[in-house]
This record gives sequence, C-alpha cells and structure tokens, in this order.
Amino acid sequence: EDKVVQSPLSLVVHEGDTVTLNCSYEVTNFRSLLWYKQEKKAPTFLFMLTSSGIEKKSGRLSSILDKKELFSILNITATQTGDSAIYLCAVEAGRGGGATNKLIFGTGTLLAVQP
Amino acid sequence: DSGVTQTPKHLITATGQRVTLRCSPRSGDLSVYWYQQSLDQGLQFLIQYYNGEERAKGNILERFSAQQFPDLHSELNLSSLELGDSALYFCASSVAPPDTQYFGPGTRLTVL
Repeated sequence: EDKVVQSPLSLVVHEGDTVTLNCSYEVTNFRSLLWYKQEKKAPTFLFMLTSSGIEKKSGRLSSILDKKELFSILNITATQTGDSAIYLCAVEAGRGGGATNKLIFGTGTLLAVQP
Repeated sequence: DSGVTQTPKHLITATGQRVTLRCSPRSGDLSVYWYQQSLDQGLQFLIQYYNGEERAKGNILERFSAQQFPDLHSELNLSSLELGDSALYFCASSVAPPDTQYFGPGTRLTVL
C-alpha cells in the first residue's frame, strides 16, 4: 500500500531558528514529490521535486529529494511567525503519459513559530 | 489567489440529502482533482479528470460521483449524506498530470 509519512507531527520554535521537516514515502511508480504550505485556507504550492540531489530553493525555504533512500526534507531558515502553518508532503504516483495517477498526502507537520 | 474557483464556500445540509460542489479550473488547465479533508482523515484524494475523462480514482465513496464538462469545469455530487461526510472539499487543477496542482479555496460541507 502506498504511504507517505511526515515527521515530526508538530514542532514549536522561536523566530530565527532553522527547522527541517521530513517526508518519507513508499509508493509504486513514483513520479514526483510535492511540498505544500497550508495555513487557514487552501494549500499553497511550495516545491515539486523529481530528481535526486537537486536542491530547490525559494527565499528561506529549500528542499531536496533522495530517491534512493525514499525521502525528502524541507528546510526553513531564519523562521518567522508567518511561517507558522501545516506543511504537507505529497507524492505523485502513476504510469505516466498522462494516464492514471494519484496524489498521496502525508498527515502534515504543524509548525508553530513563536516571537 | 490560485485562479481555481469553488462554489459554494460553505454548505450546510441535513443527513440523507444530496449536494453538488462546483469547481472552475485555472484558465488553460485541463486536469481537475477533488480532495476531501477532514479532521480525523487528513487530506484524501478522491478523483481526477483530464479533459473530460476520468483518469484516477482514490478513496471516493460510491455515494459520491463527479464529472468534468466540456468547458472543463467540474462538479462533485455527494448523495445520501452522512454526518461523517462533513469536511472541507478541495478542488485542484493542473495543465496536465503530473504538473503542479493549484488548489481552490475549498467548500466547507457541514452535515447536520
């Protein structure tokens, strides 16, 4: 059965701290791994990773995928209170060519950044 | 604003009833996905359409059905509603799988 596991479930940090969020997966026909940030509304897209070892970066956020060990990490440096949210990891699995695919979500990591 | 629109924003109904949720994808996106998010289950993939055709099915109950119309908007029909169907229902769209999915604001369904 396909599964995506995120850790930790939640963490509380102070502003300025650096955090690392983990996502491990076991799926058949892996196609990509996605990170989303969800505050009080709909998820917003952060990164999509398809290749191992290539870091994607956006401001203070960065992410990397290890397809051999089947995990990804999301790093946030110099955290701010506005980073407080649930961070969701999802793995896209499918047979390719626009055919059937599905998105499997982890349960998320709740990050609280205190001033 | 992702460009994906969902209506209604909030829906309250009684058990046994039927409701329809509507989603308009971003301009140019051909693929629509439906998700259910409840407190105890987290985010669950329900079903995906691509250019009017069903492409993937997840944990969608038989009481639920969906379709994508020629103008690419999609509707999710929920029937014989139960208390446990209360959840946030998200629609997402992408140009084509496996492209990045962009989520709409969601429809909150409350079944009393």
